[in-house]
Amino acid sequence: LAKTTQPISMDSYEGQEVNITCSHNNIATNDYITWYQQFPSQGPRFIIQGYKTKVTNEVASLFIPADRKSSTLSLPRVSLSDTAVYYCLVGYSGGGADGLTFGKGTHLIIQP
Amino acid sequence: GAGVSQTPSNKVTEKGKYVELRCDPISGHTALYWYRQSLGQGPEFLIYFQGTGAADDSGLPNDRFFAVRPEGSVSTLKIQRTERGDSAVYLCASSLTATSGRTDTQYFGPGTRLTVL
Repeated sequence: LAKTTQPISMDSYEGQEVNITCSHNNIATNDYITWYQQFPSQGPRFIIQGYKTKVTNEVASLFIPADRKSSTLSLPRVSLSDTAVYYCLVGYSGGGADGLTFGKGTHLIIQP
Repeated sequence: GAGVSQTPSNKVTEKGKYVELRCDPISGHTALYWYRQSLGQGPEFLIYFQGTGAADDSGLPNDRFFAVRPEGSVSTLKIQRTERGDSAVYLCASSLTATSGRTDTQYFGPGTRLTVL
């Protein structure tokens, strides 16, 4: 049973804000939500992690509603270099492989 | 500082051969993870170590796959009697710990591309 569901692909343009939503209806009390970015021929790279409400860092924001059944990764003012695959993971340390399931991710394509 | 390194970067072998893939984690990271990624798919979890012991090996597809981390640092993924279906990019990641409660940030290496002819 998949823990997360994301759109397969999204398109946007340079300078726009992009929001990628991940559904995780069966999220458990201990689970955190983590997003990774992957470029071709590279390993995934951590973007952001949160448990509830809103988290912001220098590259993205993560919005988590009160029921925690979904989360939205927000990328402000994207550029061509943001074209990549984005993965949403749900789990917690010590929770075993459940928290290490990447799924197929969302392929984000940014156009000029 | 140095990131996670993996060797070799590419490995071509013949069906039935034995291969070893090496991962050097970030110094001081106690947790180490192995994944396999096929074209167009996300990384597929294989095994993770906390220190020297395998904390979860539920992702290893069968008994041809084995991984060790004898001194709690470098890890080797071993594949016996390779099959064409084993062809993929094998990714290694490390994190400070895997028992902090929240999911620790994983730092990934560049991967080893394995091709089984």
